[in-house]
Amino acid sequence: AQSVTQLDSQVPVFEEAPVELRCNYSSSVSVYLFWYVQYPNQGLQLLLKYLSGSTLVESINGFEAEFNKSQTSFHLRKPSVHISDTAEYFCAVTPPGGYNKLIFGAGTRLAVHP
Amino acid sequence: SQTIHQWPATLVQPVGSPLSLECTVEGTSNPNLYWYRQAAGRGLQLLFYSVGIGQISSEVPQNLSASRPQDRQFILSSKKLLLSDSGFYLCAFSTGSSDEQYFGPGTRLTVT
Repeated sequence: AQSVTQLDSQVPVFEEAPVELRCNYSSSVSVYLFWYVQYPNQGLQLLLKYLSGSTLVESINGFEAEFNKSQTSFHLRKPSVHISDTAEYFCAVTPPGGYNKLIFGAGTRLAVHP
Repeated sequence: SQTIHQWPATLVQPVGSPLSLECTVEGTSNPNLYWYRQAAGRGLQLLFYSVGIGQISSEVPQNLSASRPQDRQFILSSKKLLLSDSGFYLCAFSTGSSDEQYFGPGTRLTVT
């Protein structure tokens, strides 16, 4: 069975500092990988995704994630965070063709302090 | 454009009362539909998914049920709520042309 592990439940960081949110998955088959962001009392928004091709994917707001097949990881990074990045971040996987049944990690709460 | 709606936004219900949460999608046909629950401090758990009208698959045994009476309508129900049913319920959809899911704004349910 597939599973997703987000190693940090909370990550406090100062504004303009770099951040890395870790995500590891277990699967015996190839998967698609996603990062979603959830602002307080809202639904989830897709941040970025890896389906195939280049292992480094980027979002429009400066986040990037790198797919590492050998380490089964998909860590999310940003070189300089803003107060507005404070949110909960979820890593998710789904097997291709599996009706997009996403398996989510427990989430990482990113708190950016001034 | 494609949009997804959920209501109500918040709900407080006593133990033993019935539940009906509604989700509708606009701007696409024959979407895959999903219900998730997010308990406090935990990740999202897939409850049900549907690939067509009247086709419901349950991922975990529980006190809830789902129905899809129309192509773009997905309903989550319970006959008698339990305290453990409290949480944030999210509806989502995906289409055949995309591998990502689009989430609604969610319903916060508190069972007292």
